[in-house]
Amino acid sequence: DTGVSQDPRHKITKRGQNVTFRCDPISEHNRLYWYRQTLGQGPEFLTYFQNEAQLEKSRLLSDRFSAERPKGSFSTLEIQRTEQGDSAMYLCASSLSGGDTQYFGPGTRLTVL
Amino acid sequence: GESVGLHLPTLSVQEGDNSIINCAYSNSASDYFIWYKQESGKGPQFIIDIRSNMDKRQGQRVTVLLNKTVKHLSLQIAATQPGDSAVYFCAETPPSGNTPLVFGKGTRLSVIA
Repeated sequence: DTGVSQDPRHKITKRGQNVTFRCDPISEHNRLYWYRQTLGQGPEFLTYFQNEAQLEKSRLLSDRFSAERPKGSFSTLEIQRTEQGDSAMYLCASSLSGGDTQYFGPGTRLTVL
Repeated sequence: GESVGLHLPTLSVQEGDNSIINCAYSNSASDYFIWYKQESGKGPQFIIDIRSNMDKRQGQRVTVLLNKTVKHLSLQIAATQPGDSAVYFCAETPPSGNTPLVFGKGTRLSVIA
């Protein structure tokens, strides 16, 4: 499978714990995006990378959220001190470059108890 | 502000009939539009896209129409099949040069066998 992959697919955690999600984009894609989706809503943009550079992070929901793409390949999204309101599907997408079609991964569903 | 919305939250069609899913967008300067299909528990799947210099584009069993005069986008699915049952999102890319997608809330398509 050469599509976007995400790990884990499901994560259940207790409030206050830190969680980290991984995204592996399509191999030749330079752009990598993170979105959050809550039930019944469309995906909401969080941040994106051009290679290893994080070009937009003002939409991250709070300073508890951070993302990295250290080598310009896979990316991680970390949420510190999780809250129940963080429960959602976290989606990763990649594109060849800006303005090109974004292809999504299967998502990581986070449940905060 | 920039937003993408949908006229109908749910749509039920008989198997074999054609489906039409509508979408309104508010940013007349948006220049790229995508339709995604999302099945339960999965990430959005690319269906078809269209750029603002076109008014129609066809794929396999799907057609996207763009009416820039009234800022309206539609997805037509021919000979709808049970496997088409899903939530459909339209998304737009504002012409800002940095391209997070702006999604609407989605339309749930149910195919009645």
